[in-house]
Amino acid sequence: ELQLVQSGTEEKKPGESLRISCQASGYRFPNYWIAWVRQMPGKGLECMGIIYPGDSETRYSPSFQGQVTISADKSVATAYLHWNRLRASDSAIYYCARMTGDNGLDVWGQGTTVTVSS
Amino acid sequence: DMQMTQSPSSLSASVGDRVTITCRASQNIQIWLNWYQHKPGKAPKLLIYTSSKLQSGVTSRFSGSGYGTDFTLTISSLQPEDFATYYCQQGYTSPYTFGQGTKVEIK
Repeated sequence: ELQLVQSGTEEKKPGESLRISCQASGYRFPNYWIAWVRQMPGKGLECMGIIYPGDSETRYSPSFQGQVTISADKSVATAYLHWNRLRASDSAIYYCARMTGDNGLDVWGQGTTVTVSS
Repeated sequence: DMQMTQSPSSLSASVGDRVTITCRASQNIQIWLNWYQHKPGKAPKLLIYTSSKLQSGVTSRFSGSGYGTDFTLTISSLQPEDFATYYCQQGYTSPYTFGQGTKVEIK
């Protein structure tokens, strides 16, 4: 079955680091771009950036450049989203999604809720 | 970044109504426009890709059209399961920006 399974809910304090994951199955992971999408409370969807697991080429939205790191490990078919120092404003639901050749996002993870609070 | 502007931001409609949502790109994106449905607590769902192609498994109540900067999502006969928020997204150039969303509510 074609799916993306994300890591679980996180509750962290400001200044802490965090890595969340997105494990793919049912397709050739290296061959499709993976996007990370943020949804802040009560807000819309924002594309944070994309990664091509085949060669780890990464493209960030300017709004997220330098704020997060996107990576991937082909050996375990997993993409990651990493923060060095969390802020309260990073509280959101984060989705990963597979990008097709037509640049649509056709398979989505279930979402990871991140809460950052002192 | 490419700006995507949806209208309206929200609408109220009844079951059986025909609903139209528009999306305007700040630059010419040819056919590279996708539509998603998003319900609370669920992952977004791809409905339409490259402006008018219906994603596999999606009901034909949904249709899309447009080219260049102006695009439309139409729901031919609104059903109870269609009440959700709908987003357009351009697939022309990274970052692949979304519109702000259109919430479809029950009248």
